[in-house]
Amino acid sequence: KQEVTQIPAALSVPEGENLVLNCSFTDSAIYNLQWFRQDPGKGLTSLLLIQSSQREQTSGRLNASLDKSSGRSTLYIAASQPGDSATYLCAVKTDSWGKLQFGAGTQVVVTP
Amino acid sequence: NAGVTQTPKFQVLKTGQSMTLQCAQDMNHNSMYWYRQDPGMGLRLIYYSASEGTTDKGEVPNGYNVSRLNKREFSLRLESAAPSQTSVYFCASRGNQETQYFGPGTRLLVL
Repeated sequence: KQEVTQIPAALSVPEGENLVLNCSFTDSAIYNLQWFRQDPGKGLTSLLLIQSSQREQTSGRLNASLDKSSGRSTLYIAASQPGDSATYLCAVKTDSWGKLQFGAGTQVVVTP
Repeated sequence: NAGVTQTPKFQVLKTGQSMTLQCAQDMNHNSMYWYRQDPGMGLRLIYYSASEGTTDKGEVPNGYNVSRLNKREFSLRLESAAPSQTSVYFCASRGNQETQYFGPGTRLLVL
């Protein structure tokens, strides 16, 4: 059974510092990996999606890498801002029907 | 264009009561999903529907039923609520692209 782990569970950084969030998965047979953002009391918003054949994906200050063979993905957020404070979740697509297996998330606080 | 909408936003039930959580999407997506989110456990898939007229079980289907009423709507029913079903429930949809779009969630408390 695929298991997805995110460490650490919580992270606090000063504004301007680069954020590095980790995601690991146990089965390398994935279709893709997605990073989501969740604000308190809200739904999830997709940030980046990396196909299994890709090594990385970029959007603005966000960059996500994928190493399928080692079962790891990293989300980098450059020059963090207080508005980046949220919980970040990663999820792997495990079959053709679109089923996702989620990690528990990393709660990020960016202090001014 | 509202995306994915869910009703109600919040509900309190007593053990044994029933209720239906409603979800609708206006993006003409074929696939829809129901997840639950519990503290420290991430989201877990309850049921999904790959297309209108089809549904299938996810990781934690026990105690739930679903109906894909039409392409837009996918409802989740709790026939006899239990305290273990206290959670936040999210509906999501997916089109031809891979990204899943999530609703704002329903917070359910079962006493």
